[in-house]
Amino acid sequence: DAGITQSPRHKVTETGTPVTLRCHQTENHRYMYWYRQDPGHGLRLIHYSYGVKDTDKGEVSDGYSVSRSKTEDFLLTLESATSSQTSVYFCAISEGTGEQYFGPGTRLTVT
Amino acid sequence: GESVGLHLPTLSVQEGDNSIINCAYSNSASDYFIWYKQESGKGPQFIIDIRSNMDKRQGQRVTVLLNKTVKHLSLQIAATQPGDSAVYFCAENPLGGYNKLIFGAGTRLAVHP
Repeated sequence: DAGITQSPRHKVTETGTPVTLRCHQTENHRYMYWYRQDPGHGLRLIHYSYGVKDTDKGEVSDGYSVSRSKTEDFLLTLESATSSQTSVYFCAISEGTGEQYFGPGTRLTVT
Repeated sequence: GESVGLHLPTLSVQEGDNSIINCAYSNSASDYFIWYKQESGKGPQFIIDIRSNMDKRQGQRVTVLLNKTVKHLSLQIAATQPGDSAVYFCAENPLGGYNKLIFGAGTRLAVHP
């Protein structure tokens, strides 16, 4: 998985609680991404980062925030989880020239 | 593992045959296209990409064809093997650049011995 780890790999949480997912890379790539994957929708971009403290919104950013204080870490936070945020979340990294390399994913269930 | 799609179109092929997976893209402004393979329970894995100044690009056992006239992309896999069984996604960049990719829902490839 191209030196990308995600934690936790599985999480069950209750509606209304905050949740933070972590992506860690050892490749020193500039760009990092958070996607969600749901049946019938393919991968959808939530947020991405183009450098430390530099982020931008993706297609489905509502209800999510991100932070990147170090090159190697990109955090995704659900401030108040809802059942519609039950999904599989993937982190990806890129050097910005095209291909993105994906992590193993985090399965999040909001009950 | 994680379910990537309950009702994906499925392509069934015999081991050793060639596979062709098709993708219609939506935006004529897209100038970069990419194919990914996703096995059950794993993250997507990069296969091959192509830019709009090309019609064809070859990799190891794979070829991507781009027809800009009809906005169609295809992935050809030669001598398909059981290890090729997976879900395959195409993606495009309707806003330009490489960051805001739009992914298709995917096609499941089933390889039978």
